[in-house]
Amino acid sequence: GESVGLHLPTLSVQEGDNSIINCAYSNSASDYFIWYKQESGKGPQFIIDIRSNMDKRQGQRVTVLLNKTVKHLSLQIAATQPGDSAVYFCAEISRYSSASKIIFGSGTRLSIRP
Amino acid sequence: DSGVTQTPKHLITATGQRVTLRCSPRSGDLSVYWYQQSLDQGLQFLIHYYNGEERAKGNILERFSAQQFPDLHSELNLSSLELGDSALYFCASSGGGQGRETQYFGPGTRLLVL
Repeated sequence: GESVGLHLPTLSVQEGDNSIINCAYSNSASDYFIWYKQESGKGPQFIIDIRSNMDKRQGQRVTVLLNKTVKHLSLQIAATQPGDSAVYFCAEISRYSSASKIIFGSGTRLSIRP
Repeated sequence: DSGVTQTPKHLITATGQRVTLRCSPRSGDLSVYWYQQSLDQGLQFLIHYYNGEERAKGNILERFSAQQFPDLHSELNLSSLELGDSALYFCASSGGGQGRETQYFGPGTRLLVL
């Protein structure tokens, strides 16, 4: 499949371990955040979202943490599996955005070691 | 499968040419968004349509235009193509019009300008 972002930072994790992917966002007015997963040759796929009135949100095997003080977002994946290999993007949307100016981070490539 | 379809999957053309990319949103979704993804610039928001009307513009060049038809499918027109227009083009759809809800991405169209 095609390679997206050949120069992306890469996180290499042992299969079965937990993964933590970090994202720093830029706009203090952003109040809605989304994590997307993009596998090779596919479009971004929604994983989990969080609004700024929350610090933590859990999904199935994934947890998103939001630290508004330092404008930092993280995605934790429990018991990482080979199928988790992908590029992960965070995205932010500002409450002052009149429409849909979603800003994506540059992405992190997650690589799983067997 | 997100429910969003895009055609064609691949497109090869020459500089100076014009192409049209097509997107069909998920059933019931009124919003369509277009994004460009290149190796060096990540995901860039281009334009958002809601129920046939333009809602927001992002980093869309004047050589590019889009429209959303009464049946809610959308087309992105790229003209006077340049080598630098080579990229993946994604459309996404969502139910509402504010751009503050989850967007579901299609599989993308890979454009190569020679």
